[in-house]
Amino acid sequence: SQTIHQWPATLVQPVGSPLSLECTVEGTSNPNLYWYRQAAGRGLQLLFYSVGIGQISSEVPQNLSASRPQDRQFILSSKKLLLSDSGFYLCAWSWDYGYTFGSGTRLTVV
Amino acid sequence: DAKTTQPPSMDCAEGRAANLPCNHSTISGNEYVYWYRQIHSQGPQYIIHGLKNNETNEMASLIITEDRKSSTLILPHATLRDTAVYYCIVRVARGVSGNTPLVFGKGTRLSVIA
Repeated sequence: SQTIHQWPATLVQPVGSPLSLECTVEGTSNPNLYWYRQAAGRGLQLLFYSVGIGQISSEVPQNLSASRPQDRQFILSSKKLLLSDSGFYLCAWSWDYGYTFGSGTRLTVV
Repeated sequence: DAKTTQPPSMDCAEGRAANLPCNHSTISGNEYVYWYRQIHSQGPQYIIHGLKNNETNEMASLIITEDRKSSTLILPHATLRDTAVYYCIVRVARGVSGNTPLVFGKGTRLSVIA
């Protein structure tokens, strides 16, 4: 069966520090992968999606970037975090009729 | 993808059926109705989807009107653990849409009350 792993679960980082969040999928090949963010009390915002290795689409301009170095690995990064980058980050992969989300990373930038 | 309209919040007594409405008057013929829910501090969870026929699974039932302009998600016996934000999304299936990402609206915050 397919599983999606996301880590870490929580993260506290100072402003200006770098960020790397990793997401991996097991049990499927060539998945479409997504990064979403949910700020406190807000809705889910799509950040990036990828349909294959090295293929990244960005939905909104921001302080973040994404990479897909391997088929089932999706990484979210930042060179210098801002306070506004705080939020709940979710990775997801899509199958024929739906999406499966990871357990999320709660990032607090201080 | 067609736009959906949902009430911002609803309450339901524990053990009773929760009926969550969704309007999608601009739905196209090849667009499905999807329902997800997000329990606090968790990622969204797929519940059910349908095209035009009513659907039922172990989690819920989906009733789609004949003109497909609205639908209702039914949780037959709501429990406290069903308290969550429920999202109604209309989009084509992945095979047709290619890779169009899922876009979430504000959803309905369902509170199940003991």
